[in-house]
Amino acid sequence: GNSVTQMEGPVTLSEEAFLTINCTYTATGYPSLFWYVQYPGEGLQLLLKATKADDKGSNKGFEATYRKETTSFHLEKGSVQVSDSAVYFCALMREYGNKLVFGAGTILRVKS
Amino acid sequence: DAGVTQSPTHLIKTRGQQVTLRCSPKSGHDTVSWYQQALGQGPQFIFQYYEEEERQRGNFPDRFSGHQFPNYSSELNVNALLLGDSALYLCASSFRGAVSYEQYFGPGTRLTVT
Repeated sequence: GNSVTQMEGPVTLSEEAFLTINCTYTATGYPSLFWYVQYPGEGLQLLLKATKADDKGSNKGFEATYRKETTSFHLEKGSVQVSDSAVYFCALMREYGNKLVFGAGTILRVKS
Repeated sequence: DAGVTQSPTHLIKTRGQQVTLRCSPKSGHDTVSWYQQALGQGPQFIFQYYEEEERQRGNFPDRFSGHQFPNYSSELNVNALLLGDSALYLCASSFRGAVSYEQYFGPGTRLTVT
């Protein structure tokens, strides 16, 4: 079946540190891949997406590249801020309009 | 442009009771999906509605049912509540005719079953 595995958290970083959150997936075919962010007490916001192999999604300084050969979609940011503290979810979608399959989420805490 | 809205924000129910949660999709969207997010977990897909019909269903019992209205808004009903149904229930909307694969999420309804 389809599944997403994320690195366990919490990840605690100092402000301006480099961030990597690992995400790998299992799926048949060519899924679309997403990163969502959830701030405390809120719903999910789409952070970035990639719909085919070698695509790079980017937004607000975050980046992730769709690597089919390693079935990965790792999230990176060069310099994190305290305001980036949130839970980050990696997700896949098999076909358009289909359900999203989420990983368990990774808590990020950024200290000033 | 209003985003996805959900009501109520919080709800406390007793085991065995029934609950109805409501969702209004983002303007221009015609498809509504519901997800259950248990504490500390990722969201799990419950079902999806399009053209007032359930199109897909996740691994949830028949106690979970839904409805979509002609204005595309949707309800999630849960019967015979169990303690394990305590979770954040998220509604997501999308437009089938769009090239984008994006689903837009509402703020959720926090259900507590005691």
